[in-house]
Amino acid sequence: AQTVTQSQPEMSVQEAETVTLSCTYDTSESDYYLFWYKQPPSRQMILVIRQEAYKQQNATENRFSVNFQKAAKSFSLKISDSQLGDAAMYFCAYRSVLGNTPLVFGKGTRLSVIA
Amino acid sequence: DAGVIQSPRHEVTEMGQEVTLRCKPISGHDYLFWYRQTMMRGLELLIYFNNNVPIDDSGMPEDRFSAKMPNASFSTLKIQPSEPRDSAVYFCASSRGQALGPQHFGDGTRLSIL
Repeated sequence: AQTVTQSQPEMSVQEAETVTLSCTYDTSESDYYLFWYKQPPSRQMILVIRQEAYKQQNATENRFSVNFQKAAKSFSLKISDSQLGDAAMYFCAYRSVLGNTPLVFGKGTRLSVIA
Repeated sequence: DAGVIQSPRHEVTEMGQEVTLRCKPISGHDYLFWYRQTMMRGLELLIYFNNNVPIDDSGMPEDRFSAKMPNASFSTLKIQPSEPRDSAVYFCASSRGQALGPQHFGDGTRLSIL
């Protein structure tokens, strides 16, 4: 079974600075999908970014980018120019390509943004 | 486009009562997932459906939990009888087709069992 580990329960960053959230995973599959979801206090689960494992190029979405290291099974999220609205829980998630299978989530990292 | 709609948003009830959570997936989505979020266990899958058919219910905690999807636009998660340890946020998510599309989540139901 696949597992996802987020080793940083909490992180903080100064407004306008850059922060990196860590995620590692364990799988025997060669192809899969990785996601970062954001959960603000409103409780919504918002997709931030996704990466297909067969793509070598790291995904980017505006201020959000990932560092995908397939051999190391690492999938970190970098937030540039942090804003107060980025404060939230961030969840790393894995999904197999074998059909539309459920997400396997990490335990999350709580990000605080300091003004 | 309307997203995944869950109701109620909050539910507070006494131990032993029946609780029914509802979900309307995004139109055209053929996969529906129920997740539970707690501080201790994080987000965990309870059950998921494909074309209204349950595919994997191994995450359902025990017989007190049941889920149905009578049609493509509606699903329920029922707990009977409810217990305080069932208190959690329950999310419904839906997605379409094979793999590429991300799962879209509803806003969740915060359930408190007293």
